[in-house]
Amino acid sequence: NAGVTQTPKFQVLKTGQSMTLQCAQDMNHNSMYWYRQDPGMGLRLIYYSASEGTTDKGEVPNGYNVSRLNKREFSLRLESAAPSQTSVYFCASRAAGRTYEQYFGPGTRLTVT
Amino acid sequence: QKEVEQNSGPLSVPEGAIASLNCTYSDRGSQSFFWYRQYSGKSPELIMFIYSNGDKEDGRFTAQLNKASQYVSLLIRDSQPSDSATYLCAVIRTSYDKVIFGPGTSLSVIP
Repeated sequence: NAGVTQTPKFQVLKTGQSMTLQCAQDMNHNSMYWYRQDPGMGLRLIYYSASEGTTDKGEVPNGYNVSRLNKREFSLRLESAAPSQTSVYFCASRAAGRTYEQYFGPGTRLTVT
Repeated sequence: QKEVEQNSGPLSVPEGAIASLNCTYSDRGSQSFFWYRQYSGKSPELIMFIYSNGDKEDGRFTAQLNKASQYVSLLIRDSQPSDSATYLCAVIRTSYDKVIFGPGTSLSVIP
C-alpha cells in the first residue's frame, strides 16, 4: 500500500517549457487535489477532482491544466512554465464525506529559470 | 478577504506551556475543519478534525469550534520541542469536496 505517489520529486525547467506532474493513489479515494506551497503561503488549491471524469478550479488555476485519467490518477500540466510557478507541488486524495482527511504525496519541487 | 486566515507567526512557547493556534474562515457554509502539522520539507499530516460546535480532545491536543463566530482553534498542552512545526488549518466547503487551507502558523517550542 503506497498511499499517494508523485513523480518526479525534483524538476528544473526553463521558461516556456512544458511538463506534466503525475499523481496516483491506491486507496480507492474519490477526490483528488493539486496544491502548490510557497514560503509563508500555506497550501493553495490549484485544481481538484471530486470523482473520475470531473475537475474543478481551485484558488490559483491560471497556467495549469489537469486530467483525471481514471480513479487512481490525477495529473497536472504546465503548458508554458513561468518563474512564478516555481514552488513545491503536493497531490492529495481523500474519501468522500465531511470527516475524511486528506492524504498527501511527498511533493514535487519545481524550479523554473 | 482570504477564505481561511490564521494568526501570524512565528509563535514561540517554552517547553511545557500551552500553545494556542487560531483560524478564522469566511464561508458560513463550511462543514468540517482540520488541523494538519507540517515539518520542514515534509508533507502535511493530520492532527485532528472537528465539525460540531464545542471542544474535541485527543491526547495533548484540543480543537475548539465556534461556527457562529466562524472560528476554530487548536490548543497544544504540555508543548514539546517535537511539536515545533507549521500548523495548517483546512476547511471543507459545503460540497464536501473543496478543501481550502490557511497560510499556516509556525510554532517553535523552546527547551
